[in-house]
Amino acid sequence: AQTVTQSQPEMSVQEAETVTLSCTYDTSESDYYLFWYKQPPSRQMILVIRQEAYKQQNATENRFSVNFQKAAKSFSLKISDSQLGDAAMYFCAYRPNSGNTPLVFGKGTRLSVIA
Amino acid sequence: DAGVTQSPTHLIKTRGQQVTLRCSPKSGHDTVSWYQQALGQGPQFIFQYYEEEERQRGNFPDRFSGHQFPNYSSELNVNALLLGDSALYLCASSLMGERNQPQHFGDGTRLSIL
Repeated sequence: AQTVTQSQPEMSVQEAETVTLSCTYDTSESDYYLFWYKQPPSRQMILVIRQEAYKQQNATENRFSVNFQKAAKSFSLKISDSQLGDAAMYFCAYRPNSGNTPLVFGKGTRLSVIA
Repeated sequence: DAGVTQSPTHLIKTRGQQVTLRCSPKSGHDTVSWYQQALGQGPQFIFQYYEEEERQRGNFPDRFSGHQFPNYSSELNVNALLLGDSALYLCASSLMGERNQPQHFGDGTRLSIL
């Protein structure tokens, strides 16, 4: 069974600094997608960034980037120039590229941003 | 372009009761997935509906059932509610066949069981 592990229940970062959230996953598939979702107190799950496993280049979306290490099954999220609005729960998620399969989520990391 | 909408936003029930949660997918989407998110946990997949049929199911008992209507909206029904059913229930929509597109989530329904 596929599993996603986020080993950091909580993290904090000073405003304008950089923080990295960790995620590892376990799968026997070779083709899959990885996602980072943000869940603020408003509860809506917002897609931050996604990575396709067959692409070696790490995905980047403005201040958000990932470090995708396929052999190590690692998928970390780097947030640069952190802003107060980045404070939220962050979930790493996995989905195999076989049909419209559901997402498998980690337990999340709560990120606090200190002004 | 309307996103995923869920109703109600918050619901309080007692043990043994039954509840129905509703979801309207994002415009253009035809597939609806339901997730349960217990406090302090990541979302867990309940089931997925496409073409008015349950296509995939997670590890949830038969007390959890659903339905999809011709307009692609969906309902989640939970019978014989238990205290452990207290959670945030998230609906996500997508377009079948568009595997490279992410699911879009609604704001969820917070279900509290007393």
